[in-house]
Amino acid sequence: NAGVMQNPRHLVRRRGQEARLRCSPMKGHSHVYWYRQLPEEGLKFMVYLQKENIIDESGMPKERFSAEFPKEGPSILRIQQVVRGDSAAYFCASSPSTGPGGNEQYFGPGTRLTVT
Amino acid sequence: QKEVEQDPGPLSVPEGAIVSLNCTYSNSAFQYFMWYRQYSRKGPELLMYTYSSGNKEDGRFTAQVDKSSKYISLFIRDSQPSDSATYLCAMSAKDDKIIFGKGTRLHILP
Repeated sequence: NAGVMQNPRHLVRRRGQEARLRCSPMKGHSHVYWYRQLPEEGLKFMVYLQKENIIDESGMPKERFSAEFPKEGPSILRIQQVVRGDSAAYFCASSPSTGPGGNEQYFGPGTRLTVT
Repeated sequence: QKEVEQDPGPLSVPEGAIVSLNCTYSNSAFQYFMWYRQYSRKGPELLMYTYSSGNKEDGRFTAQVDKSSKYISLFIRDSQPSDSATYLCAMSAKDDKIIFGKGTRLHILP
């Protein structure tokens, strides 16, 4: 049973370029969460999605960041016009059908974004 | 006051010792409490998941929740060098996002 999959594992972008991070949840999981982790910082919630719906995006920066979870295919976290401050590890997690509170989230290996 | 407080360490203990990791929190609405283990440059791995107060044991790991004191603990018995990692506490209210501590770095000395 494959776990949460993320790709790419490492991504290097120049300032001003776009970054696209992909996440495939565990089989049978329909809830996806994105987190950002900076060195010496904890995991910070960014967005919670179900298929074709954004449920909670309270942790997403207002500009340049967007996320989607289409009916078919992986969830995508998109960062436009990247800046050096976007350099971080981005983790995706998934859970079964009953939502974040009271449910176990399983994490992928992360995508490490470096902006040069 | 931060919602979740966790001592960053590092915490170094000899192999075979009992390890105690702790977090405090301020939000009395938290009902679900978790511990994750994260190895360097890897994703967090769910270790323990508990609801409300009480103890839960799984092998060498025991999680304790004291809601009256807003304090949670993770104990590791017979610690091994392979337990060296960062341990993240996490918690949530019902139907709300999970809040993570910053993590405690643990080193088990052979």
